[in-house]
Parts: sequence; structure tokens; C-alpha cells
Amino acid sequence: NAGVTQTPKFQVLKTGQSMTLQCAQDMNHEYMSWYRQDPGMGLRLIHYSVGAGITDQGEVPNGYNVSRSTTEDFPLRLLSAAPSQTSVYFCASTHIQGGEQYFGPGTRLTVT
Amino acid sequence: GQSLEQPSEVTAVEGAIVQINCTYQTSGFYGLSWYQQHDGGAPTFLSYNALDGLEETGRFSSFLSRSDSYGYLLLQELQMKDSASYFCAVKNDYKLSFGAGTTVTVRA
Repeated sequence: NAGVTQTPKFQVLKTGQSMTLQCAQDMNHEYMSWYRQDPGMGLRLIHYSVGAGITDQGEVPNGYNVSRSTTEDFPLRLLSAAPSQTSVYFCASTHIQGGEQYFGPGTRLTVT
Repeated sequence: GQSLEQPSEVTAVEGAIVQINCTYQTSGFYGLSWYQQHDGGAPTFLSYNALDGLEETGRFSSFLSRSDSYGYLLLQELQMKDSASYFCAVKNDYKLSFGAGTTVTVRA
């Protein structure tokens, strides 16, 4: 199993550009989520999904969109990048009843 | 909403024992998790407590008291490789909400 994979590992965007961060898992997990991590602030939940076709907002959803067309994939779209979105983004997945979340390696995004 | 409090930093010597406390306020509480994160890496799962009591996994143990909204992670026989950030996280419904993290520095 590859576990949770994320692409790209690094990305630099200019203000106003859009892009999609990719996340995939091969563990047949129902639950997938996106977090951002800023220095000294822990991980904050952006969006999450409990199954294909079902998504919901977390703590900090503004400026981001998600979709879940398959169990495996959960892409995160930045609509119009802003410097405040400079962060490290982690995707995670788990079984709904599980206590352990599996994290991808992260995407380091810089918006200039 | 949810709130979690944990100390920001702890320093200890190799071989020592460190306890990281976590207090939380949340609704719909399912359980308390602990994650370890080394610099530049992804968080990795350490433990999950859904019921009151102590769970032991090797050198690490985790405790939960639901009535006190409190838990802790105990790191025993500290090693240099244990230098990392440690996060507590509450599970409510399907979601995880994380604390700001505790940086543990192990000195020789």
C-alpha cells in the first residue's frame, strides 16, 4: 500500500493564481480531510469528507474548495491564491470509526 | 467549538520521563489522540483513548479522564530521537481538532 500520497511536494504561486493540491489514498478509508499547518498553530481543519459525494467545511474553509468523486481521491482547490495561504498542507484519511488518522507527506505552498 | 491546551515546550535529558498534559473543551467527544511530528515531517499516530484509563505502547503511554476533560502522554526512557512536536487531538463526530503542540527537546 502506498498509504496517503500528495502532490506536489512544493509549489510557489503568485497572488491570484489558482491551483489544485492532489491527495489520494489506497486504504479504502471513508473519511478524508485537509489541514493547514502554520508555525506555532498546530493543524487546522480546512475541509473534510465522510464518503464519495459528501464534503463539509472545517475551521478555515474560506478560499478553498474540495470535491470527492471517488473514495480514493480528495483534491483541494485554491481559487485565487493569497499570501495568507502560504502554509504546509496535509491530507489525512481514516476509517470513520477509527481513532488513527494517516497523513500524507505534505505540500509546502508559498504564495508571493 | 473546540479548544485544547497543552504546554508549548518541555526540555529533558536522555533517560528521563516527560509528561505532556492536555485539557480540552468540546462537544460530542469521541476520544483523545496523540501525534508526533518531527521537523519537516508529517504527523504520525501514537495513541488513541476512547475510554478512561491508561494505554501503554512501548515507552509511550497515554491517559484519559473524560470526567475531567483531561489527558496526558507519558514518554519514558527518553531518547534523542524523541525530540519532536507532540499534538493532542480530540475526535468529535468524524473530525479531529488539534492542540497547538508541545515541542519536546531531549538533551544528552
